[in-house]
Amino acid sequence: DAGITQSPRHKVTETGTPVTLRCHQTENHRYMYWYRQDPGHGLRLIHYSYGVKDTDKGEVSDGYSVSRSKTEDFLLTLESATSSQTSVYFCAISASADGYTFGSGTRLTVV
Amino acid sequence: EDQVTQSPEALRLQEGESSSLNCSYTVSGLRGLFWYRQDPGKGPEFLFTLYSAGEEKEKERLKATLTKKESFLHITAPKPEDSATYLCAVLTMDSNYQLIWGAGTKLIIKP
Repeated sequence: DAGITQSPRHKVTETGTPVTLRCHQTENHRYMYWYRQDPGHGLRLIHYSYGVKDTDKGEVSDGYSVSRSKTEDFLLTLESATSSQTSVYFCAISASADGYTFGSGTRLTVV
Repeated sequence: EDQVTQSPEALRLQEGESSSLNCSYTVSGLRGLFWYRQDPGKGPEFLFTLYSAGEEKEKERLKATLTKKESFLHITAPKPEDSATYLCAVLTMDSNYQLIWGAGTKLIIKP
């Protein structure tokens, strides 16, 4: 989507390796979010950020860490990837409570 | 516990056959209810926000309504291009811009 990009779009990695996903926005929105989406579970919040260096955990944060050193970038790191972290990861941004804008997603496969 | 439930899980309609999707919620206090559309391989796309019971919003063949316990997404004379998964989410009074998501309804419109 215009204003928000995720990279990479697809990644295959081995169990036990660290992985970093990147979300970049050009909208200067304060809030950024990382979600995972799995069949039967819907969207689940991993971590979110409410400003530079201000982050907090979501409902499924175990095994994940985040960093936000600039307004435009929000990084999600899988510290030691496991097969249960195979999923589609979405980044979202919002300036207010009135709706999010989502990126196109990263499909991650852990083998 | 705050919860959002969508029904049905899947809905198959003939082109032109109108129907409704349901999103029921149990939350401590509603700030807003959101509808999104998601196409395969893409991130969710914002459709509507509803804030108070009795509110209605329309966009092309879609109309969203809100009561104190549920929201409906009415689809009038659907076309095959309306096929997608429709997601509902709520924002509660005590959340920090964190949405609670339903699992979605997969809508298939047959020509």
